[in-house]
Amino acid sequence: GAVVSQHPSWVICKSGTSVKIECRSLDFQATTMFWYRQFPKQSLMLMATSNEGSKATYEQGVEKDKFLINHASLTLSTLTVTSAHPEDSSFYICSARDVTSGRSNEQFFGPGTRLTVL
Amino acid sequence: SQQGEEDPQALSIQEGENATMNCSYKTSINNLQWYRQNSGRGLVHLILIRSNEREKHSGRLRVTLDTSKKSSSLLITASRAADTASYFCATDDRMDSSYKLIFGSGTRLLVRP
Repeated sequence: GAVVSQHPSWVICKSGTSVKIECRSLDFQATTMFWYRQFPKQSLMLMATSNEGSKATYEQGVEKDKFLINHASLTLSTLTVTSAHPEDSSFYICSARDVTSGRSNEQFFGPGTRLTVL
Repeated sequence: SQQGEEDPQALSIQEGENATMNCSYKTSINNLQWYRQNSGRGLVHLILIRSNEREKHSGRLRVTLDTSKKSSSLLITASRAADTASYFCATDDRMDSSYKLIFGSGTRLLVRP
């Protein structure tokens, strides 16, 4: 149980295009999901907290108009990188809280999406 | 930056030796967690220790927590080449109801066969 998937696992796109990344909780409901970004040999940096049915909460320094987050259902959150540029190339990881069980303290992480912008 | 610090940044040991990594954080917490990440892959949850716990064991892993010093350590005993990975601590913020996690800077562990 507590599996989180991400799609796609990797994507290469041209500069100026938009890329959508999906994060799904497969066997539990997640009212809250989190999006992280990780540059090579660095740690995970929280980008935003995604709440089902409401606007995402972005961390300081993260452009909400560039990184669009939608959490339309209890099992799906999407991150859209708009007008991507090479500096947006990174590893994007989502996580989800399982609030329906006694594991609400834990976050379950997706396998990540590697974005390369040419 | 809210990010916690970990030391050492990199650690190279021989198979069979013990590996110790340290983590410091900045806020009052409910829990502290340790994760492992193999190169280019997702995170694997290792262990969670609550703020009212001082020590926790799981297999070859031993975690300590000192809330007065806002620090934690992860000990891997009898290391194996397969333990080669990056290790991160992550904390929540007791004053933040969102349950978001703040990650430490990580320790890159290399276990030489």
